[in-house]
Amino acid sequence: KAGVTQTPRYLIKTRGQQVTLSCSPISGHRSVSWYQQTPGQGLQFLFEYFSETQRNKGNFPGRFSGRQFSNSRSEMNVSTLELGDSALYLCASSPGPTGYNEQFFGPGTRLTVL
Amino acid sequence: AQSVTQLDSQVPVFEEAPVELRCNYSSSVSVYLFWYVQYPNQGLQLLLKYLSGSTLVESINGFEAEFNKSQTSFHLRKPSVHISDTAEYFCAVSPLRTGNQFYFGTGTSLTVIP
Repeated sequence: KAGVTQTPRYLIKTRGQQVTLSCSPISGHRSVSWYQQTPGQGLQFLFEYFSETQRNKGNFPGRFSGRQFSNSRSEMNVSTLELGDSALYLCASSPGPTGYNEQFFGPGTRLTVL
Repeated sequence: AQSVTQLDSQVPVFEEAPVELRCNYSSSVSVYLFWYVQYPNQGLQLLLKYLSGSTLVESINGFEAEFNKSQTSFHLRKPSVHISDTAEYFCAVSPLRTGNQFYFGTGTSLTVIP
């Protein structure tokens, strides 16, 4: 089975712009979660989608949004970019609805905001 | 609310020496417990997990972790490390029955010295 794929792998944007990141989960996985990884802060949970519904949301401003399509692919959008949004954004997919199941992580999208 | 504390941000250790990476968590509900590893320039991979049953869990590459409910800890140990164990290690918890919402610690960078 192919792993979790994320596109693009690298992005450079300027302050005020908006960006869309894409995640394709492992085939058959219905849960997709997004995380922001920064040095010193570790991984911080953004949100989780299961069967096109957002079930959980982390403590991030409304500029961060996402959605999931019927084929389980997910997109994450960040509007009005700030310098502090520079980070590695990780997507993880899981076959089941709870943490009982392993999360499989993609390689991430490295976002740099100038 | 849940939180995860990894007490050591960096752990240098000589090859073939033992190592312990510490993890404590705080949670108002029961949680599943995980250790993930991130090798240089690679994505996160599950190392081991505690779901229920025996409090001592092992990985295929010689790591083990013990769930201590009274101390709310899930420390990771290996009796003899190899150069290839050099990586970032993340402890994580996921509350039961709340979906795939994982809370990660800030990570411990393990450097094995030849």
